[in-house]
Amino acid sequence: DAGVTQSPTHLIKTRGQQVTLRCSPKSGHDTVSWYQQALGQGPQFIFQYYEEEERQRGNFPDRFSGHQFPNYSSELNVNALLLGDSALYLCASSPRPGGYTFGSGTRLTVV
Amino acid sequence: AQSVTQLDSQVPVFEEAPVELRCNYSSSVSVYLFWYVQYPNQGLQLLLKYLSGSTLVESINGFEAEFNKSQTSFHLRKPSVHISDTAEYFCAVSSSGAGSYQLTFGKGTKLSVIP
Repeated sequence: DAGVTQSPTHLIKTRGQQVTLRCSPKSGHDTVSWYQQALGQGPQFIFQYYEEEERQRGNFPDRFSGHQFPNYSSELNVNALLLGDSALYLCASSPRPGGYTFGSGTRLTVV
Repeated sequence: AQSVTQLDSQVPVFEEAPVELRCNYSSSVSVYLFWYVQYPNQGLQLLLKYLSGSTLVESINGFEAEFNKSQTSFHLRKPSVHISDTAEYFCAVSSSGAGSYQLTFGKGTKLSVIP
């Protein structure tokens, strides 16, 4: 049984560009959360999607947006990239609050 | 609002020695508590969790943590560490009530096991 799958694993973007990261949740999980982990820091909550709606959002600007599809997979979009957006982006899925499974992450480098 | 404080950013320990990684949290509501482990260039793996019931929780690889509500702590312990335990460990908290679903993480503790 595949766990949480994220793609791509690495990518490099230029300041001002837009990026889309993808996540497939673990089988049986209907809730997807996104986290940003800057170098040397703990993960920071970006937002959570459930039933194709954003259910909760952390303290991130509107440049960060997302989407959840009917098959529960999700995308994270970041517009107008800044150097400070360089980080590991983690997707976590859950069948309910309290049982989060994390993917291996996407390493985004903004140059 | 919730917060997590991991009191040690780095903990070096000799192989087969015991270790304790400290975690304190702040919350105005009842919480769930978690420890995650992160190996280099990888995502987070759940080590153990406290949701309810017994305040002492154990993992399959010998780690344990005890929920202490009065001290708002959830320290992680292992009686004898192995080289393979070298990793970064994150303590996290979430509300146990409806309406708040995010995990709030500490800044992590890097455990280095010395041969």
